[in-house]
Amino acid sequence: GQNIDQPTEMTATEGAIVQINCTYQTSGFNGLFWYQQHAGEAPTFLSYNVLDGLEEKGRFSSFLSRSKGYSYLLLKELQMKDSASYLCAVRDSNYQLIWGAGTKLIIKP
Amino acid sequence: TAGITQAPTSQILAAGRSMTLRCTQDMRHNAMYWYRQDLGLGLRLIHYSNTAGTTGKGEVPDGYSVSRANTDDFPLTLASAVPSQTSVYFCASSDSGTHGELFFGEGSRLTVL
Repeated sequence: GQNIDQPTEMTATEGAIVQINCTYQTSGFNGLFWYQQHAGEAPTFLSYNVLDGLEEKGRFSSFLSRSKGYSYLLLKELQMKDSASYLCAVRDSNYQLIWGAGTKLIIKP
Repeated sequence: TAGITQAPTSQILAAGRSMTLRCTQDMRHNAMYWYRQDLGLGLRLIHYSNTAGTTGKGEVPDGYSVSRANTDDFPLTLASAVPSQTSVYFCASSDSGTHGELFFGEGSRLTVL
């Protein structure tokens, strides 16, 4: 079966750096997405990786290793507004998105 | 900027009743999707439509139906609601011309009693 694993919850301190990991086992691979979802709101797109390596976008970076079935989202200079759930999703060989359950990130002052 | 609009925002429904969740987008995206989100689970695809006039079944289609009469609208109908359909429902769309990121509506919280 297809599976996306990410930690259920993480805690970090304002101003620090946090890395949220995502491992996947899917039928084929056509890209990996990270979305941010604040409580009670809709998911919003953060990043997309289809080739191995690091994609940087401001304070957020996303890394992909296709051979290891592994990605991480790196958040730098954490702000209180970064408290949210972070969803990892992989597009499989049928171009369907498989979603992880999300990682709830709690930022403490 | 509207993007995707869902209605209603929340609804309490008696079991056995029917309900249609509305979804409208103004981005002229070809593809549209309905997901449900339940605590501890990833988003699960109910139905999708790659273009107006076509629909397909997702991971959890039973008890739901959709139609896509035009590009903008993609309603989701529960013919006879059951308590297990209590969930938050998200409508989304994507543009086939990009890498296919999804744009989500604000969600519809449905409680079936």
